[in-house]
Amino acid sequence: AQSVTQPDIHITVSEGASLELRCNYSYGATPYLFWYVQSPGQGLQLLLKYFSGDTLVQGIKGFEAEFKRSQSSFNLRKPSVHWSDAAEYFCAGGMDSNYQLIWGAGTKLIIKP
Amino acid sequence: DAMVIQNPRYQVTQFGKPVTLSCSQTLNHNVMYWYQQKSSQAPKLLFHYYDKDFNNEADTPDNFQSRRPNTSFCFLDIRSPGLGDAAMYLCATSGRLAVGETQYFGPGTRLLVL
Repeated sequence: AQSVTQPDIHITVSEGASLELRCNYSYGATPYLFWYVQSPGQGLQLLLKYFSGDTLVQGIKGFEAEFKRSQSSFNLRKPSVHWSDAAEYFCAGGMDSNYQLIWGAGTKLIIKP
Repeated sequence: DAMVIQNPRYQVTQFGKPVTLSCSQTLNHNVMYWYQQKSSQAPKLLFHYYDKDFNNEADTPDNFQSRRPNTSFCFLDIRSPGLGDAAMYLCATSGRLAVGETQYFGPGTRLLVL
């Protein structure tokens, strides 16, 4: 069955430290993948997406993600986090559907001062 | 500059009293979606429209209905809200995801059921 897994429910990082949020997928073929961020009480904002081509994808707010087919992963990274990055992060993916995305459970990012 | 607009941002209703949430878009996308999101959970797709074709998810309760009178607008009707329907409701739009398009979300409507 198709699935998207975010293994970490919470991650705590010190301000200024680097960040990596994990996302693994289970699909029979190459999926298209997204990372969204959600601040409390807000909608979801797209950070970046992978559809095809370059496996290292640059996004907004200094985020990047790398698609690794061999590891079935699409991990999100940022070299230095800011307090404003505290939010919930969702990974989502699809394969052959024009409409349906499968969502990870989300990872809540907590920033320590 | 807003692309997906939801009104109202907060809605309070009484148990069993029908409520309608609205969504509009300026992106001219074919597809519009309604998601329900409860605290600290991923969004759960309720239904989507491709143009005027309505697609209901198998586990969406009958209590939830939707209307899309034109390309720009989509409504979510909750016929008899229960306490368990208190949640954030997110509207989203997209073109065809399988060709590299993206889902864009509105800011959400927080529904409180008293």
